[in-house]
Amino acid sequence: GENVEQHPSTLSVQEGDSAVIKCTYSDSASNYFPWYKQELGKRPQLIIDIRSNVGEKKDQRIAVTLNKTAKHFSLHITETQPEDSAVYFCAASFGNEKLTFGTGTRLTIIP
Amino acid sequence: DAGVIQSPRHEVTEMGQEVTLRCKPISGHDYLFWYRQTMMRGLELLIYFNNNVPIDDSGMPEDRFSAKMPNASFSTLKIQPSEPRDSAVYFCASSTFMGTGELFFGEGSRLTVL
Repeated sequence: GENVEQHPSTLSVQEGDSAVIKCTYSDSASNYFPWYKQELGKRPQLIIDIRSNVGEKKDQRIAVTLNKTAKHFSLHITETQPEDSAVYFCAASFGNEKLTFGTGTRLTIIP
Repeated sequence: DAGVIQSPRHEVTEMGQEVTLRCKPISGHDYLFWYRQTMMRGLELLIYFNNNVPIDDSGMPEDRFSAKMPNASFSTLKIQPSEPRDSAVYFCASSTFMGTGELFFGEGSRLTVL
């Protein structure tokens, strides 16, 4: 089955700086890569996703890049703000297969 | 729609007791998932249903865990007997598509087994 590894497990950045979280996956057939954000004590929520037919997708201050050859994808957050502090999960799936989640990255924005 | 609704939000029980967690998915969503979240293991998929039918329960840790979905608007996750290592946050989620559909999570049920 699919295996998703996520790094780093914790990340602290100064407010206004950029944050990058990286994930690798094992199944070359995977074609859907979402990112979920979970604020403290809250539910995980989808913030952005990318499919294998594109290499990059942006939504305001967040972007995701995908390298299918290397089987890795990354989340980029620019101009970080305190409300970006949360745990971020990457995930991967193929077709109708279930999503496999990474282990999460706890991002802390330092004011 | 009010989103995915879970109850109870918090449950504290003693080892050996039966625990029942409840979930109401978003109307029209054909897929329902039960996840367990711990610091050590992250988000683990326990079981999922399609049109009320259990499809994959390979994530259910052992026979003490069982899940049912008697109709399209209700599911339960039962632990009997409960053990301290079952302490975790249990999330229910629903989706319109399998794999490539957005998962809509409930607020979670925080279980503490003493």
